[in-house]
Amino acid sequence: DSGVTQTPKHLITATGQRVTLRCSPRSGDLSVYWYQQSLDQGLQFLIQYYNGEERAKGNILERFSAQQFPDLHSELNLSSLELGDSALYFCASSATGGGYNEQFFGPGTRLTVL
Amino acid sequence: DQQVKQNSPSLSVQEGRISILNCDYTNSMFDYFLWYKKYPAEGPTFLISISSIKDKNEDGRFTVFLNKSAKHLSLHIVPSQPGDSAVYFCAASAEDSNYQLIWGAGTKLIIKP
Repeated sequence: DSGVTQTPKHLITATGQRVTLRCSPRSGDLSVYWYQQSLDQGLQFLIQYYNGEERAKGNILERFSAQQFPDLHSELNLSSLELGDSALYFCASSATGGGYNEQFFGPGTRLTVL
Repeated sequence: DQQVKQNSPSLSVQEGRISILNCDYTNSMFDYFLWYKKYPAEGPTFLISISSIKDKNEDGRFTVFLNKSAKHLSLHIVPSQPGDSAVYFCAASAEDSNYQLIWGAGTKLIIKP
């Protein structure tokens, strides 16, 4: 158990809909990262937050947005969903916002868009 | 453009033998490399890392080798055990890109009894 929790575990929705994925980092970790893993692909970095502020942006679509709250949990919002958004979404956390920090991953949310 | 490549989607190894997983990269600015292991229905877990100032790092049965001139790293598992069956991801980062991890597509390792 990495200490990172993600909810929900599974999500099935229809095209055009909006969903919110939630992540609670390990106790004491200030950074949260979101990743997308499509079928048989590597992990694609989406976005990083550090202590409530956006720190780095990767290949995140404009239809997606995220935020980190004062209690350090984070939410990833996916809107106008398309079939291609079906994937595993992982959240990870690390102690600080920079440097070579090991990232601890949650179990992921599997999103299926029908 | 894939900056981190794991060219073998899968690898099958006899229990007790050595498993060698390979990873190639193209960005010469990468200076820190990590291996993660992933079981089905779980998130990746950190296994071992290496800085570009080293060419080898060992942790128990796991050793990572880095060849900077070839832009190649490998993970050796000796001896291989059934619990090592998992997907292994190689990731790389660079200080000048804010340490963002760039991931390979993973290699599925199957340990045969």
